[in-house]
Amino acid sequence: SQELEQSPQSLIVQEGKNLTINCTSSKTLYGLYWYKQKYGEGLIFLMMLQKGGEEKSHEKITAKLDEKKQQSSLHITASQPSHAGIYLCGAGPTGNQFYFGTGTSLTVIP
Amino acid sequence: EPEVTQTPSHQVTQMGQEVILRCVPISNHLYFYWYRQILGQKVEFLVSFYNNEISEKSEIFDDQFSVERPDGSNFTLKIRSTKLEDSAMYFCASSVPSGGPKSTDTQYFGPGTRLTVL
Repeated sequence: SQELEQSPQSLIVQEGKNLTINCTSSKTLYGLYWYKQKYGEGLIFLMMLQKGGEEKSHEKITAKLDEKKQQSSLHITASQPSHAGIYLCGAGPTGNQFYFGTGTSLTVIP
Repeated sequence: EPEVTQTPSHQVTQMGQEVILRCVPISNHLYFYWYRQILGQKVEFLVSFYNNEISEKSEIFDDQFSVERPDGSNFTLKIRSTKLEDSAMYFCASSVPSGGPKSTDTQYFGPGTRLTVL
């Protein structure tokens, strides 16, 4: 089965600081997804990466997928309290069975 | 913007009872999914459903569980004879298939139903 490891497990940063969350897969990824979860709520889709070396940005969040398609990073520039939550990477060897990473809990201190 | 909805938001049941969790996927989506998240643990895949049948299921999805699309809009997860360890947040998701066995379709998630088994 697909294993996705995220690091760090939790992160506490001062508002305005940059941060990076990593996701490593045990297998080659066909698609790597980043989601954000607020406590007790659903998962909000952030972005999807499919091609080796691909990089996407949305507002202050940038995600990259390495050339081998086994590692991804999520970078937040100038963090804000609204960025706080749990960030999950997700992927599947096929489109029908989907696995999530262990999650990274982000706290942004104003 | 269209979204996946789930009802109820919180369900409390006695051990041994049956529960049905309901989901309304996004209207033009064709693939439907159920996941669960036990408190403090990973989000785990349960089952995917396409064309009125189960497409894939995990080891968690045993005979205690069943899914159904009873009409054109609802997608349900039935848990028979609930156990204490079934207490979790259950998420429904849906996607539009882009085609092919290894499609990488974005799944859109509902807000979840928190199931508490006493």
